[in-house]
Amino acid sequence: DQQVKQNSPSLSVQEGRISILNCDYTNSMFDYFLWYKKYPAEGPTFLISISSIKDKNEDGRFTVFLNKSAKHLSLHIVPSQPGDSAVYFCAARTSNSGYALNFGKGTSLLVTP
Amino acid sequence: EAQVTQNPRYLITVTGKKLTVTCSQNMNHEYMSWYRQDPGLGLRQIYYSMNVEVTDKGDVPEGYKVSRKEKRNFPLILESPSPNQTSLYFCASSSWASEGYEQYFGPGTRLTVT
Repeated sequence: DQQVKQNSPSLSVQEGRISILNCDYTNSMFDYFLWYKKYPAEGPTFLISISSIKDKNEDGRFTVFLNKSAKHLSLHIVPSQPGDSAVYFCAARTSNSGYALNFGKGTSLLVTP
Repeated sequence: EAQVTQNPRYLITVTGKKLTVTCSQNMNHEYMSWYRQDPGLGLRQIYYSMNVEVTDKGDVPEGYKVSRKEKRNFPLILESPSPNQTSLYFCASSSWASEGYEQYFGPGTRLTVT
């Protein structure tokens, strides 16, 4: 039972434009959300996170938005760069689950020059 | 440099031949975990360990064993590998001291079982 869903397997964006990656979740107990980025032949690396007490968190070109009522979060990358081309995983956890993360299936982002 | 290392990075083996994939972290993390990544399925947890001598099953533990005798090491053991265990495997570690308990991943081990 997939509790974290990334419904777009892939996304293509032109360099300089905004990339928006979406993630939906079903478990209302999730209270912390993370985005991981994965290049081929490498492990996922932590990118940005957001607590459920916030609705926005920004780090440079990356911003994550959380809409708790819709159980939806999104990652915005502005401006997109070719080096951002990677697979992006959304993950979520609850306070009760400790370290356990529920991952989405990932969205492959391609930023074209 | 803080890191999670895995060995080997690539492995081709035959059905039934026992193998071990090693994982080591140098961050003194108490939590370690193994995942497998398959096309269309994302990352699925195999086993995890909350600390030394404490291990538990994840979502897909069948066919795998783990041990945690030392804090830094968390080997994944396939006693009798089968072709359906052909996958990309990641080890990860985390600490309660990290806000949000972010997990740090190793570079992955590509396993092919023929």
